[in-house]
Order: sequence, then structure tokens, then C-alpha cells
Amino acid sequence: DTEVTQTPKHLVMGMTNKKSLKCEQHMGHRAMYWYKQKAKKPPELMFVYSYEKLSINESVPSRFSPECPNSSLLNLHLHALQPEDSALYLCASSQDRAQPQHFGDGTRLSIL
Amino acid sequence: AQSVTQLDSQVPVFEEAPVELRCNYSSSVSVYLFWYVQYPNQGLQLLLKYLSGSTLVESINGFEAEFNKSQTSFHLRKPSVHISDTAEYFCAVSVVLTGGGNKLTFGTGTQLKVEL
Repeated sequence: DTEVTQTPKHLVMGMTNKKSLKCEQHMGHRAMYWYKQKAKKPPELMFVYSYEKLSINESVPSRFSPECPNSSLLNLHLHALQPEDSALYLCASSQDRAQPQHFGDGTRLSIL
Repeated sequence: AQSVTQLDSQVPVFEEAPVELRCNYSSSVSVYLFWYVQYPNQGLQLLLKYLSGSTLVESINGFEAEFNKSQTSFHLRKPSVHISDTAEYFCAVSVVLTGGGNKLTFGTGTQLKVEL
């Protein structure tokens, strides 16, 4: 069982819809991450939050909007997505600077 | 900047045979090294980590990796594979971020396919 929980597991949305992905961890980790993974490719970093503050945005389009309401939760708000945004979205968390990241099972997103 | 090279995109191997998945990295700063495994329709699971200390690290399911600083390598080995080891394996280097957390740079991945 993964210690990082992502919901929903699957999401199908139209290009005009607004939806949100949710990530939750209760390991006391203070850094949380969003990744995008296309088929047969490694994950690509999108955002890093440290102590609930956004520390890295890897030039992600504004149609993706992250939010960290508290130290255990991380959201990714989606609006006006494009078909090429269809992918597996992974959330991860880590305890300290040098400690490994722990991943959730992801949300598989399909844009119609 | 950091980079990771996994030379083999696919490695077919028969069950109970040994396997080595190769990983080379480059970095201008100190890095931490990881192997992650990804089974179909799942996220990434941490397999091994090298942070400091002994250069040979082992996992609970029989995998091991050796950090070789002079050759900038972190190859993954298993003396006898099982059909359940079939998965995608990612090597990654991590650098600490000044604002907290760390940044992973992944290799392109190696698909290990174990055959009967």
C-alpha cells in the first residue's frame, strides 16, 4: 500500500471543464511534488512545495494551478486543458532535503 | 546540471538468470542516487537509495546497486530474477534544493522483461 494517496485514480474531462487532483500524505513530510508522466517516459517535474510554499514551478502552463492548503494536502487545479495534457499525474513527498521521494499511484487523466 | 543515462531501454532475461541494469550519471555537485521501479498502472516505488556510507546498497527483494564515484555509475544487479520483477526501472539522481526538498533527475528507464 502506498503512503501517498491520490484521488481520483482516473479522470476524463473536456477541454472546457474545471477539475482538481488531490494528493494526501500523513508521513509528516514537508516537501511535496507534482509530476507529469507520458507513456514509456520518465516523470517530469512540474511543481515543488516546501513547507507549504511553492518553491519551484518548472515553467508549467497556467492552466495547471497548484495549491497546498496544509502540510498534508496538495491539490492540482485543472482548467482549459489540451489533449496533449493527457498523462499520468504523480504526486510525491519527501521528509527532508536528501531523503527519497515517495510516490502515489497517480491519476490517469484523459482530455477529450 | 545533472543528467542520468540508462543505456539499455529494454532488457530481456530468462527467469532465475542474473541481470544488470546500467546507470551512469553526471553532476557538478554532490548527488544522492536512487533506483525506482514502476509496475504497470502504478506509481514509482523506491527500490534502493545511496545517500552516504557503504557504496553497496541492498534491497529486501534481492536487488543491489553499487555506487562507483570514479566511473560515475550506479548499476543495479540481481543474481536471480523472478517473473514478478518484470517492470520499468528508473535510475535517478537527486540534488538538494535551497528552498527545501530535492529535485530528481531521471534516466529514460529500462524495461526489464523476465521470460519463462
